[in-house]
Amino acid sequence: KQEVTQIPAALSVPEGENLVLNCSFTDSAIYNLQWFRQDPGKGLTSLLLIQSSQREQTSGRLNASLDKSSGRSTLYIAASQPGDSATYLCAVFTGTASKLTFGTGTRLQVTL
Amino acid sequence: NAGVTQTPKFQVLKTGQSMTLQCAQDMNHEYMSWYRQDPGMGLRLIHYSVGAGITDQGEVPNGYNVSRSTTEDFPLRLLSAAPSQTSVYFCASSRQEINEQFFGPGTRLTVL
Repeated sequence: KQEVTQIPAALSVPEGENLVLNCSFTDSAIYNLQWFRQDPGKGLTSLLLIQSSQREQTSGRLNASLDKSSGRSTLYIAASQPGDSATYLCAVFTGTASKLTFGTGTRLQVTL
Repeated sequence: NAGVTQTPKFQVLKTGQSMTLQCAQDMNHEYMSWYRQDPGMGLRLIHYSVGAGITDQGEVPNGYNVSRSTTEDFPLRLLSAAPSQTSVYFCASSRQEINEQFFGPGTRLTVL
């Protein structure tokens, strides 16, 4: 059974700092990995999708990497801003289960 | 494009009542799914569909029914609501199973 872990559960950083969020998964037989952002009381917004054959994806200040063999992904946020405050979720699509398996998220607070 | 839409946004039910959560997408996506999100448990898959007329069970299907008569719509039916079904429900869609998933804004359901 696929399990996804995100560490840390919560993180507080001052504005302008670069930061890394971690995601690990137990079954490396994945099709893709997706990073989402969730604001309080809102739905999930897709940030980046990395296919299993890819090593990284970039969008603006965000860079996500994938090491499938070791079961790890990182989300790098450059020059953090207060508007980046949210919960960040990673999810892996495992073909055998035909579904996304989510981690429980990292709650990020960027302070002024 | 409206993307993925869900109605209602909020609902309060009494134990034993039935209701349907609506989900629609206007992106001509084949794959649609329903998740529930509970504190400390992350998002869990309830049911999914790989195309019109095809549905399958996810991780936590008991107490829920789905059907997919059109590509656009994927309603979730609660047959006899129980307090354990108090949760936030999200609908998602993607072009195919392994593509980027897009989520709706969610329905917050309370069962008394």
